Amino acid sequence: SQTIHQWPATLVQPVGSPLSLECTVEGTSNPNLYWYRQAAGRGLQLLFYSVGIGQISSEVPQNLSASRPQDRQFILSSKKLLLSDSGFYLCAWTDGGKVAFFGQGTRLTVV
Amino acid sequence: RKEVEQDPGPFNVPEGATVAFNCTYSNSASQSFFWYRQDCRKEPKLLMSVYSSGNEDGRFTAQLNRASQYISLLIRDSKLSDSATYLCVVSSEGRRALTFGSGTRLQVQP
Repeated sequence: SQTIHQWPATLVQPVGSPLSLECTVEGTSNPNLYWYRQAAGRGLQLLFYSVGIGQISSEVPQNLSASRPQDRQFILSSKKLLLSDSGFYLCAWTDGGKVAFFGQGTRLTVV
Repeated sequence: RKEVEQDPGPFNVPEGATVAFNCTYSNSASQSFFWYRQDCRKEPKLLMSVYSSGNEDGRFTAQLNRASQYISLLIRDSKLSDSATYLCVVSSEGRRALTFGSGTRLQVQP
């Protein structure tokens, strides 16, 4: 069966520090991968999606970036975090169908 | 206008009550529809897909009205464990990702 791993679960980072969140999927090949962010009490905002290695589409311009170095690995990065980057970051995958399966999320607090 | 709109609630209902949530979507080309459930500080999980003819899964019934562009979720005989946020989700042709509503919070009280 397919599983998705996301880490770390929580993170506290100072303003201006770099960020790297990693997500890996097991049990499937060539998944569509997504990064969402959820601010406190808000809905999910799509940040990036990828349909294959090295293919990244950005939905919202910001100081975040994403990379897909391997088929089942998706990384979210920032060179310098802002206070407004705080939130709940969720990685998700689909197999080309419409249902999304989420990782357990990373709760990021920028201080 | 948001692509997917939901009443944020909260809906506070007693155990055993029937509660209904509605959701409207703006893109008439939307093709697939879902309800997800999100517990506090957890990731969203698929509750059920929504089919044009309506569908039922135990105490949960989902309906789709394409003409009016809204989706509904009915929960019968509410349980304490139903307390969560329910997210309306839409998939549109040409978009690679799902669009999520902001969610409706349900609190079932003893």
